[in-house]
Amino acid sequence: KAGVTQTPRYLIKTRGQQVTLSCSPISGHRSVSWYQQTPGQGLQFLFEYFSETQRNKGNFPGRFSGRQFSNSRSEMNVSTLELGDSALYLCASSLVPTPVNTEAFFGQGTRLTVV
Amino acid sequence: GEDVEQSLFLSVREGDSSVINCTYTDSSSTYLYWYKQEPGAGLQLLTYIFSNMDMKQDQRLTVLLNKKDKHLSLRIADTQTGDSAIYFCAENPSGGYNKLIFGAGTRLAVHP
Repeated sequence: KAGVTQTPRYLIKTRGQQVTLSCSPISGHRSVSWYQQTPGQGLQFLFEYFSETQRNKGNFPGRFSGRQFSNSRSEMNVSTLELGDSALYLCASSLVPTPVNTEAFFGQGTRLTVV
Repeated sequence: GEDVEQSLFLSVREGDSSVINCTYTDSSSTYLYWYKQEPGAGLQLLTYIFSNMDMKQDQRLTVLLNKKDKHLSLRIADTQTGDSAIYFCAENPSGGYNKLIFGAGTRLAVHP
């Protein structure tokens, strides 16, 4: 069974540009969450999607957005990139998020560098 | 509020046991998790414990939960050099929503 796939693995962008990252969850998983990992702030929750709906959002500016498609694949977009957006962006997928089981499996991440 | 705290570093000798500690704040968290991250890699789910359990054992891993003190620990028996990594404790305070709150991570160094 394939794991969570994130593309691309590495990206270099210039300040002011926008970027789109992609995440394909484990087959059958319908919930996708996104996290930002930086040396200074650690791992921070961005947002979660389930059945194409954003169910929860972290404390990030509106420049960060996402969506989920009917096949559960998800994309996140960052507009007007800033140097501080340089980070490892991680995607996690879960089968069906309920209080019974919220086991999340992570992809390898996309390393974004803003110059 | 939501906060998870861990010590930042732990150094152990190969073959010894490692104990990584974590404290969390949200008593509503149903599950508590331990993840491992190796250099350049994503997060690997090691184990998790349901909040009504005190202990869970999974091969070399033992998780202890003290719900009263909101304290979680991960014990790795017979620690090997391949266990060198960063270990993250995480809680999920949102019930059915996949919003994990992570600690800063404990860097485990295993030396001969």
